[in-house]
Amino acid sequence: SAVISQKPSRDICQRGTSLTIQCQVDSQVTMMFWYRQQPGQSLTLIATANQGSEATYESGFVIDKFPISRPNLTFSTLTVSNMSPEDSSIYLCSVDQGYGYTFGSGTRLTVV
Amino acid sequence: KQEVTQIPAALSVPEGENLVLNCSFTDSAIYNLQWFRQDPGKGLTSLLLIQSSQREQTSGRLNASLDKSSGRSTLYIAASQPGDSATYLCAVRLTGANNLFFGTGTRLTVIP
Repeated sequence: SAVISQKPSRDICQRGTSLTIQCQVDSQVTMMFWYRQQPGQSLTLIATANQGSEATYESGFVIDKFPISRPNLTFSTLTVSNMSPEDSSIYLCSVDQGYGYTFGSGTRLTVV
Repeated sequence: KQEVTQIPAALSVPEGENLVLNCSFTDSAIYNLQWFRQDPGKGLTSLLLIQSSQREQTSGRLNASLDKSSGRSTLYIAASQPGDSATYLCAVRLTGANNLFFGTGTRLTVIP
């Protein structure tokens, strides 16, 4: 299965600032997925990122708040913009190569 | 919308016991179902993937079953060990969709 390198692993940020999370996959994949896991909750899909086109966002998530880049078939970034304490969560990227989903190690974000 | 429920929410067992975790889903038009393990503050590790045409999958001390008609899956862990302590998540992929719907998780504690 694919190996995903995600960074940073954790960060503490001031409200009003932005954080960019990176995911690097060791093989080419068509789609990359970004999930959020709020404290004590399960995972919720933020958006699906395709190379060469704009990301597709789920209900409740907007591009201005969570801009995504997908410059090639092995890399994607998610930015959490104008952060507030409510954005404190674990953010995870994921890919599927046909034999189940593989997840990055997650970014634990705390907004103070 | 697919709803995925896991029971119990938390489980504490003595080392060596066999145990069963339950997952139920509302939409039986699934493509596959995947069980994950998540350690505190970390990403997800894939344990087992069951395709919709399969009834069960086994890996070491783990066995997962799938009953599409009743909308249920179980994860059986044999001879539990303290290292099995983690949160276990089941996730469903619907036919024609690319993303996963996650359950709420079962937090397992194995007491030495």
